[in-house]
Amino acid sequence: GENVEQHPSTLSVQEGDSAVIKCTYSDSASNYFPWYKQELGKGPQLIIDIRSNVGEKKDQRIAVTLNKTAKHFSLHITETQPEDSAVYFCAASMGNDYKLSFGAGTTVTVRA
Amino acid sequence: DAGVIQSPRHEVTEMGQEVTLRCKPISGHDYLFWYRQTMMRGLELLIYFNNNVPIDDSGMPEDRFSAKMPNASFSTLKIQPSEPRDSAVYFCASTTGLGPLSFGPGTRLTVT
Repeated sequence: GENVEQHPSTLSVQEGDSAVIKCTYSDSASNYFPWYKQELGKGPQLIIDIRSNVGEKKDQRIAVTLNKTAKHFSLHITETQPEDSAVYFCAASMGNDYKLSFGAGTTVTVRA
Repeated sequence: DAGVIQSPRHEVTEMGQEVTLRCKPISGHDYLFWYRQTMMRGLELLIYFNNNVPIDDSGMPEDRFSAKMPNASFSTLKIQPSEPRDSAVYFCASTTGLGPLSFGPGTRLTVT
């Protein structure tokens, strides 16, 4: 099955700085890559996703890049704010298979 | 939109007891997933349904675990008998298959 690795496991940034989280995946057939944010005591919430026919996608302060050749994708958060503090998960799946394989998560702490 | 609804939110039970977790997916979503989250293993897919039919239960850890979806608006995950290692947060999630996966708030299960 698909194996998704995520780095780093923890990330501390100064408010206003950028945060970058990287993931690699093993199955070249995977073509859907969502990112989820999980706040304490809540379920994961989708923040952005990308499909394999797109190399980059941006939504305000959040962007995701995908390199299918290298089988890795990254989440970029610019101008970080305290409310960005949470656990972020990357995931991968094949388009006709809605089974998401999740990375281990990155705990992001934004220091005021 | 009420989102995915799960009950109970917290469950504390003694080893050997039967536990039933409940989920109401978002109306119109025809895929339903059960995930388990632990510190050691992260987010693991247990089972998923399409149009109330179980499609893949390869993630169900043991015969002690069973899941049903008697209709489009209700699913249960049952553990019988429960063991301390079953302690985790259990998430239900749903999707139309065309859109992203939406997670419920989770049920925190503690087996003593």
